[in-house]
Amino acid sequence: EVQLVESGGGLVQPGGSLRLSCAASGFTLSSYSMNWVRQAPGKGLEWVSYISSSSSTVYYADSVKGRFTISRDNAKNSLYLQMNSLRAEDTAVYYCARVSVERRLAIDYWGQGTLVTVSS
Amino acid sequence: EIVLTQSPGTLSLSPGERATLSCRASQSVSSSYLAWYQQKPGQAPRLLIYGASSRATGIPDRFSGSGSATDFTLTISRLEPEDFAVYYCQHYGRTFGQGTKVEIK
Repeated sequence: EVQLVESGGGLVQPGGSLRLSCAASGFTLSSYSMNWVRQAPGKGLEWVSYISSSSSTVYYADSVKGRFTISRDNAKNSLYLQMNSLRAEDTAVYYCARVSVERRLAIDYWGQGTLVTVSS
Repeated sequence: EIVLTQSPGTLSLSPGERATLSCRASQSVSSSYLAWYQQKPGQAPRLLIYGASSRATGIPDRFSGSGSATDFTLTISRLEPEDFAVYYCQHYGRTFGQGTKVEIK
């Protein structure tokens, strides 16, 4: 069974940093590209970042470019999101999500999400 | 940058009725990369449709997707109680529409 389990969320002050982790199981992480997607309280979904299976290609939403860094360790079956210079508008549930090439880059599996709250 | 605009914002219908949700792109996009998701309160989204018209694994055939270029549609032929939720379209694994809430009338 495919599982994605995020961790690392919490309360952080504006300007602070946080590192999210996503533990993948039930499939071979090294065969899949991955996304981070977030959802602010009561709002819609916002794509945050993408990383290819080998880490050779990464993309970021304009809203986080220069502040967030996506990475992965296929040997540890893990995906990461380093978040620096956090702002109140970064407050959201952050989802780790698997990209399916077979399904035309749609997200076929999602984690349960981890809440990040940026507040003083 | 492609913008996806979904309409209506909220759709109020009764069980058994047909739901038609729209997703309009700001410029022509490949239908191969258009997906639809369903999200219920407190849950992660679930993939319904990919490639504009292909149902994901386990999705009932009352859900169908269609469209091309700038106009895409998700149709739920007969609403079941479990279908009341928020629906999002997405292009190329990135840009999401703002969502359409299907609520019980």
